[in-house]
Amino acid sequence: DTGVSQNPRHKITKRGQNVTFRCDPISEHNRLYWYRQTLGQGPEFLTYFQNEAQLEKSRLLSDRFSAERPKGSFSTLEIQRTEQGDSAMYLCASRQSGGGRETQYFGPGTRLLVL
Amino acid sequence: AQSVTQLDSQVPVFEEAPVELRCNYSSSVSVYLFWYVQYPNQGLQLLLKYLSGSTLVKGINGFEAEFNKSQTSFHLRKPSVHISDTAEYFCAVSVDDKIIFGKGTRLHILP
Repeated sequence: DTGVSQNPRHKITKRGQNVTFRCDPISEHNRLYWYRQTLGQGPEFLTYFQNEAQLEKSRLLSDRFSAERPKGSFSTLEIQRTEQGDSAMYLCASRQSGGGRETQYFGPGTRLLVL
Repeated sequence: AQSVTQLDSQVPVFEEAPVELRCNYSSSVSVYLFWYVQYPNQGLQLLLKYLSGSTLVKGINGFEAEFNKSQTSFHLRKPSVHISDTAEYFCAVSVDDKIIFGKGTRLHILP
């Protein structure tokens, strides 16, 4: 069990550029979640997948954000036309669905800074 | 709507002293409750969880929490803190497969 991994760990970009983050969940986990954490706040839910299906999206996820999980394994989160307000830590989590397995396991996060 | 309130944004405590981090939640349905810890520049690590059963839950690193349904609380405690406990602690509830986090409590350990 190698845990949830995220790449890159840090990203600095200029306003208006597009960025893409990757998350590799724990291998047997069929559910994958994205959260955003701004400075001084707790993480906020963005979206989640069961296998390749995106089941729910938060209102926080504007049209500039898109997430995919094409083969039901890794996931990508893309932000188009980044804004300074997008600066945050983006966290990925995974778990296996089923009773008694409600714990989500988090990756180390990708810290985004938009200049 | 479900929500989580962490009553203290920062808690200073002397090394080897006991500590309690307070958490209250609001929910109209049964919830699963968690405490996560975040060390500087790292992701979240699960400290402990309450799913059902005994209301006193023991976690890693000597932490424990007590679920109190009547007071809708899930306070985190440790009898003796160490400098390595310096971190941010998040209380959270899981409802409809989403985790809702509190704003966090920063634990400062004083020498």
